[in-house]
Amino acid sequence: ETGVTQTPRHLVMGMTNKKSLKCEQHLGHNAMYWYKQSAKKPLELMFVYSLEERVENNSVPSRFSPECPNSSHLFLHLHTLQPEDSALYLCASSPAGLAGAGDTGELFFGEGSRLTVL
Amino acid sequence: LAKTTQPISMDSYEGQEVNITCSHNNIATNDYITWYQQFPSQGPRFIIQGYKTKVTNEVASLFIPADRKSSTLSLPRVSLSDTAVYYCLVGDRRFGNEKLTFGTGTRLTIIP
Repeated sequence: ETGVTQTPRHLVMGMTNKKSLKCEQHLGHNAMYWYKQSAKKPLELMFVYSLEERVENNSVPSRFSPECPNSSHLFLHLHTLQPEDSALYLCASSPAGLAGAGDTGELFFGEGSRLTVL
Repeated sequence: LAKTTQPISMDSYEGQEVNITCSHNNIATNDYITWYQQFPSQGPRFIIQGYKTKVTNEVASLFIPADRKSSTLSLPRVSLSDTAVYYCLVGDRRFGNEKLTFGTGTRLTIIP
């Protein structure tokens, strides 16, 4: 239990569906992240929010739309996905978007949402 | 960004000490070295972080030579539950985590 909760844990959707992944943390962290992990590939950073402002968007297709309504919640809205988008989507949080002195910048990950696109 | 190189996989027997080495030849002055552990279908978990010499916590030790071009994660007396993928990351903590890159990691398999 890392303190980062992701729902749903498993999701199957068709290419025309619209769904959302949810992430919640009550660790008092002010940075939240979405990562994608495909089979046999490294983790890919998708989005970063620091103090609810989007800091980084690593050229992710527009069919993925993040939302960070407050520092404790992060969503990933999904629409018209492709089968190659099937992956484990991981949410993480860290104490600070910019690590201060003595801060390891440790990432706390949730258990992930396993997405299958048919 | 400093690139890291790790062995793709390693096997070890229960009860042994395991050392996983990571090469980072172009590490920058302000870069730290961080290791994460990932079990199947779970998110990575922070293990240890260091800048130079040796760091030890309740889980592992991290050895960093003076030139900092490599680092070694040491897991004492491993058990079956240590079977996982281990990632070595190098980055400047001042700029947060958005610049950190997870490579393919080292898949460690513990044999009974």
